[in-house]
Amino acid sequence: QKEVEQNSGPLSVPEGAIASLNCTYSDRGSQSFFWYRQYSGKSPELIMFIYSNGDKEDGRFTAQLNKASQYVSLLIRDSQPSDSATYLCASQGAGSYQLTFGKGTKLSVIP
Amino acid sequence: DGGITQSPKYLFRKEGQNVTLSCEQNLNHDAMYWYRQDPGQGLRLIYYSQIVNDFQKGDIAEGYSVSREKKESFPLTVTSAQKNPTAFYLCASYSGFGYTFGSGTRLTVV
Repeated sequence: QKEVEQNSGPLSVPEGAIASLNCTYSDRGSQSFFWYRQYSGKSPELIMFIYSNGDKEDGRFTAQLNKASQYVSLLIRDSQPSDSATYLCASQGAGSYQLTFGKGTKLSVIP
Repeated sequence: DGGITQSPKYLFRKEGQNVTLSCEQNLNHDAMYWYRQDPGQGLRLIYYSQIVNDFQKGDIAEGYSVSREKKESFPLTVTSAQKNPTAFYLCASYSGFGYTFGSGTRLTVV
């Protein structure tokens, strides 16, 4: 059974701080990883994907992947109240289109 | 604009009634998916289709049915056999960089 684990939170950070969201996965064959942001009552939207070990930066967001530890993280720098949402981590296995999702971490950025 | 359109946005089902949720995409994607989301439960896969006229059961297919007669369309029917259908339903297609999601349908049993 492929599993993706996330701390459900809520994770509270003050405005301007760095928010760190973490995710572990069970399937060593997973090759690509995705972070989605979901506002309350809305559908998920893709914010980052990563498939190579190391860091990938896009604006205030940095995704980190460590395949040896089966660990993925998302850092949000200069957190804003508008970043308050649930963040879903997902993995994709080799040769498959299907994503496996974690249950999400709820982030609250306090003004 | 390309995207996935789900309708209706809100749907109310009476006991014993079948209802159909619409999902249409103009992205020319082959693979399409239906997920159910309950509070605190994350996304659970109901059905998926990788090609026209073919679909596979996901983790929670009981009480649901789908069809894939056209590449653009992947409707989901919630049958009376689904005893607890109240949830947020999400349709998605595979874009090559993860999924593109529709805006969702919120189904409530009345």
